[in-house]
Amino acid sequence: GAVVSQHPSRVICKSGTSVKIECRSLDFQATTMFWYRQFPKQSLMLMATSNEGSKATYEQGVEKDKFLINHASLTLSTLTVTSAHPEDSSFYICSARGGPSDSPLHFGNGTRLTVT
Amino acid sequence: GQSLEQPSEVTAVEGAIVQINCTYQTSGFYGLSWYQQHDGGAPTFLSYNALDGLEETGRFSSFLSRSDSYGYLLLQELQMKDSASYFCAVARTAGNKLTFGGGTRVLVKP
Repeated sequence: GAVVSQHPSRVICKSGTSVKIECRSLDFQATTMFWYRQFPKQSLMLMATSNEGSKATYEQGVEKDKFLINHASLTLSTLTVTSAHPEDSSFYICSARGGPSDSPLHFGNGTRLTVT
Repeated sequence: GQSLEQPSEVTAVEGAIVQINCTYQTSGFYGLSWYQQHDGGAPTFLSYNALDGLEETGRFSSFLSRSDSYGYLLLQELQMKDSASYFCAVARTAGNKLTFGGGTRVLVKP
């Protein structure tokens, strides 16, 4: 089955620093990847759609200059949280479709970001 | 806007049957998906309905009524390992992003 790998699984950083999260599709090519954010015991909120070779599409209310997304190849998308603040602490999860447009989303294992 | 409503929590005993309802209001509808998420883990795909009717996958089944904007996930022969959060999600167009419901936390007791 389709596998999505996300790294790191956990990261702790200081306020004001930047953190990069990688999302890779291991056995398939993903022209589109989706980045979600999840607070404890809450739902997954879509942040942005990452498109290979073009700019990401951000959801309303998500600061594109703060959450930089780069989809450099068909198997890699990165999310960089710039100038992180404690309120950015959250669980970030990427996902991609491993097949046709009606195929299910496969999720990475998520990144637990803690900003101190 | 888009909204998906599902109960916040359900408790049941091992061996029981649980039905998690999901009603949705979205501008456009392509299909209804269900995902399971254990605490601290990633969501995993359970089931998908694009057409009305019941889809059965082992102990889990999912139902959709497009005319009623309603679906449900049925968990049968509950096991302790089924304790998790379950999310319904809607895709408005083919290949499009998914909008998730608030999630239903299922607690299975011995």
